[in-house]
Amino acid sequence: KNQVEQSPQSLIILEGKNCTLQCNYTVSPFSNLRWYKQDTGRGPVSLTIMTFSENTKSNGRYTATLDADTKQSSLHITASQLSDSASYICVVSKYGQNFVFGPGTRLSVLP
Amino acid sequence: DGGITQSPKYLFRKEGQNVTLSCEQNLNHDAMYWYRQDPGQGLRLIYYSQIVNDFQKGDIAEGYSVSREKKESFPLTVTSAQKNPTAFYLCASSTATGRKTQYFGPGTRLLVL
Repeated sequence: KNQVEQSPQSLIILEGKNCTLQCNYTVSPFSNLRWYKQDTGRGPVSLTIMTFSENTKSNGRYTATLDADTKQSSLHITASQLSDSASYICVVSKYGQNFVFGPGTRLSVLP
Repeated sequence: DGGITQSPKYLFRKEGQNVTLSCEQNLNHDAMYWYRQDPGQGLRLIYYSQIVNDFQKGDIAEGYSVSREKKESFPLTVTSAQKNPTAFYLCASSTATGRKTQYFGPGTRLLVL
């Protein structure tokens, strides 16, 4: 079954600290993997996209990694800010088909 | 939120009533999607359309209907057959080929009175 799992379910950190969110998937055949940020009550916004041949992709303080062999991805946030408080969603797509969404990790950054 | 708009932001439905959620995009995207989001769950696909006048059922299409008469518009109707409609509804669009990065609207929250 095509699934995307994320951990932790929720995370609380202090402003300025780093954190890493995890994504494991069983989707096959794999096409690409995306990380989205979703503020409360808003639509998700794309942070990064990685294909099979890419193992690292950065977008400012966000760095995503992909290990296609183990079917794992991580999103590392450096020097967190209060505005990073949001849900982070891992999305995997299959070739020629639609997307499988993970349940998201809820990040809270406290001052 | 890109070039996608959804309305209304909040919508209330009475028992036995059909309601329609609006989704408009000006990104010139061929593909459009409707998702339902419930707390603690990933987005679930209701319907999608790859081209005008054509659409396909997603994973949870029962109790919903759509139309795609114009490239820019993809309205979703929540019918009275949908027994548990309370959720956050998200519309998205993308190119039909290539990496197909989805751009999402701001969402509509549907509540049952």
